[in-house]
Amino acid sequence: DAGVTQSPTHLIKTRGQQVTLRCSPKSGHDTVSWYQQALGQGPQFIFQYYEEEERQRGNFPDRFSGHQFPNYSSELNVNALLLGDSALYLCASSGGTGSSYEQYFGPGTRLTVT
Amino acid sequence: QKEVEQDPGPLSVPEGAIVSLNCTYSNSAFQYFMWYRQYSRKGPELLMYTYSSGNKEDGRFTAQVDKSSKYISLFIRDSQPSDSATYLCAMSGLAGGTSYGKLTFGQGTILTVHP
Repeated sequence: DAGVTQSPTHLIKTRGQQVTLRCSPKSGHDTVSWYQQALGQGPQFIFQYYEEEERQRGNFPDRFSGHQFPNYSSELNVNALLLGDSALYLCASSGGTGSSYEQYFGPGTRLTVT
Repeated sequence: QKEVEQDPGPLSVPEGAIVSLNCTYSNSAFQYFMWYRQYSRKGPELLMYTYSSGNKEDGRFTAQVDKSSKYISLFIRDSQPSDSATYLCAMSGLAGGTSYGKLTFGQGTILTVHP
């Protein structure tokens, strides 16, 4: 049973550019959440997608947007990249027949903005 | 003030020791409490999941929740070098509330178990 997968593993971008990160949820899960984890900090909630709609959003600017596809996979888009956007971006899936409160994380995408 | 406070450590213990990790929180809406383990450069791995107050045991791990004190703990018995990682507490609220669906994490405690 494949767990949560994310791509790419690493990414280097320049300030002002745009980036798209991708996530495939664990089999049987229908909800995808995205988190940003700065070095030495706990993950910070960005937003959650369910039934292809944004259900909940954290304190992140509109430069952060997302999408969920009919197969439950998801994308995170960040526009006008800032140096402070450098972090590990984590995707977590939940739902289906399991508890919606149990979120399972992927390995993350490490984004470096120069 | 952060909603969830966790001592970042680092914490260093000898193999076989009992480890106690703790978090405090301020948001009374939190009803679900989780502990995650994160190895270096990996995603967090769900260890324990508890609803409301009480204890839950799974092998060498015991999670405790005291909602009256807004305090949660994770105990690791007979600690092993393979337990060396960052331990994150996380919390969520009930459906319909503003904290539903999102996990609020502590900063994480770095644990090293030396042989």
